Amino acid sequence: TQTVSQSDAHVTVFEGDSVELRCNYSYGGSIYLSWYIQHHGRGLQFLLKYYSGNPVVQGVNGFEAEFSKSDSSFHLRKASVHWSDSAVYFCAVEGSNAKLTFGKGTKLSVKS
Amino acid sequence: EAAVTQSPRNKVTVTGGNVTLSCRQTNSHNYMYWYRQDTGHGLRLIHYSYGAGNLQIGDVPDGYKATRTTQEDFFLLLELASPSQTSLYFCASSGLGAYEQYFGPGTRLTVL
Repeated sequence: TQTVSQSDAHVTVFEGDSVELRCNYSYGGSIYLSWYIQHHGRGLQFLLKYYSGNPVVQGVNGFEAEFSKSDSSFHLRKASVHWSDSAVYFCAVEGSNAKLTFGKGTKLSVKS
Repeated sequence: EAAVTQSPRNKVTVTGGNVTLSCRQTNSHNYMYWYRQDTGHGLRLIHYSYGAGNLQIGDVPDGYKATRTTQEDFFLLLELASPSQTSLYFCASSGLGAYEQYFGPGTRLTVL
């Protein structure tokens, strides 16, 4: 059984700041890791994924995430945030049986 | 871009009522999913399907039935709705695997 932990429920930064949203997972086998974004009142949108290869993966709108097997982590980063990045971000892990397990989400607030 | 639609967008029913939530995807995806989203719990998987006629049990299936009638259509049925099923329901689909899912806009269900 896979689990996902997002340690920060809320993160607040100013426009132009960098940000890192943390995700830790547990799963014993090969896994796929993903990040999703949910703007207020909308469905989730896929941002990026990792399965193998380069541990740093690029997503849309300047987001990237880095996989670390030793830390069991898949943190999401952006070098310079915009007010439109304000949203809830979900980390997810796919283990067996084509099921995704989501973290509880981190709400990112970007102040101008 | 993948298109997933849900209907109705909002639904109010009474305890013991019968509710059907509909989902359609037009991307020829094999996998379809039903989730519920509640504050403090993130997204939780109710049921999912690999294709027409197939049904798999998710993590929180109690009180829900589902049916996949075609490649495109996936329905969630609440035959005796209870207030604990008041929630925001999302449908999603994916093609290659669970890690890259496309979500519908959601259905807000209120059970009085």
